[in-house]
Amino acid sequence: GAGVSQTPSNKVTEKGKYVELRCDPISGHTALYWYRQSLGQGPEFLIYFQGTGAADDSGLPNDRFFAVRPEGSVSTLKIQRTERGDSAVYLCASSFTGTGVGEQYFGPGTRLTVT
Amino acid sequence: EDQVTQSPEALRLQEGESSSLNCSYTVSGLRGLFWYRQDPGKGPEFLFTLYSAGEEKEKERLKATLTKKESFLHITAPKPEDSATYLCAVRTNRDDKIIFGKGTRLHILP
Repeated sequence: GAGVSQTPSNKVTEKGKYVELRCDPISGHTALYWYRQSLGQGPEFLIYFQGTGAADDSGLPNDRFFAVRPEGSVSTLKIQRTERGDSAVYLCASSFTGTGVGEQYFGPGTRLTVT
Repeated sequence: EDQVTQSPEALRLQEGESSSLNCSYTVSGLRGLFWYRQDPGKGPEFLFTLYSAGEEKEKERLKATLTKKESFLHITAPKPEDSATYLCAVRTNRDDKIIFGKGTRLHILP
C-alpha cells in the first residue's frame, strides 16, 4: 500500500517498561509528525521531523519520550519507564514538504495501553 | 496562547438536513487551517487546507470557508456515510506545530 503504516497496531505493556512504536511514511515525504490522541480529544502534537533531524520536539511531554528518524524515512517513537498516563493512540503523519503548509497523511495509529 | 475551539461537540442530523460546524481560532499568525475527517479506530483523513480569509473550498457535500477568526465546514444534504468526527487544525507562522481542536462528532440519521 502507498499510505502511512504504523506498527504495532496495539501494544499492551506494564508500567515501567520500555516501548518502541514504528512509523513508515509515504515514500518521498520529507516531513514526519508524531501525535498523541486521547479519547474524545484531538491529536496533540509531539514532534516534527524534516528529513533526519527533529525540527520541533517541543510537544514531547518529558524526557521519557524520544524519537528518531536516522535515514529520513522510518521513524521510531521510544517511551521509557512507561506510566499509565501514557495510554493513548499514537498517530504518525507525513507530508511532502514541511516548509510550506502541506497536507498531512495519517497512519491508523498505535493504541498503547499501560497496565 | 494559540487555541482552536470547535463547536458543537456533537451534532445529530437527519439525512438531508444541512448544517455547519464551527472552528474558532486564536493564533499569533495563521499559516494554514486544515479540516480532517476521522472515523472510529482510524487516523484523520485530510479534507481541506485554507490559507486566507475569504477562501472557500468544496468537495462533494462539504464546503469549507475561512474568516479572520473562524472557519466553517458546511455540509449540504448529508448522508449517513458522512457520520464521523470532523477535526479542525491550524499551523501558525511562529513554529511548525499543528494545533488541533477537539473535534465535532457528527451523526447522520437515516
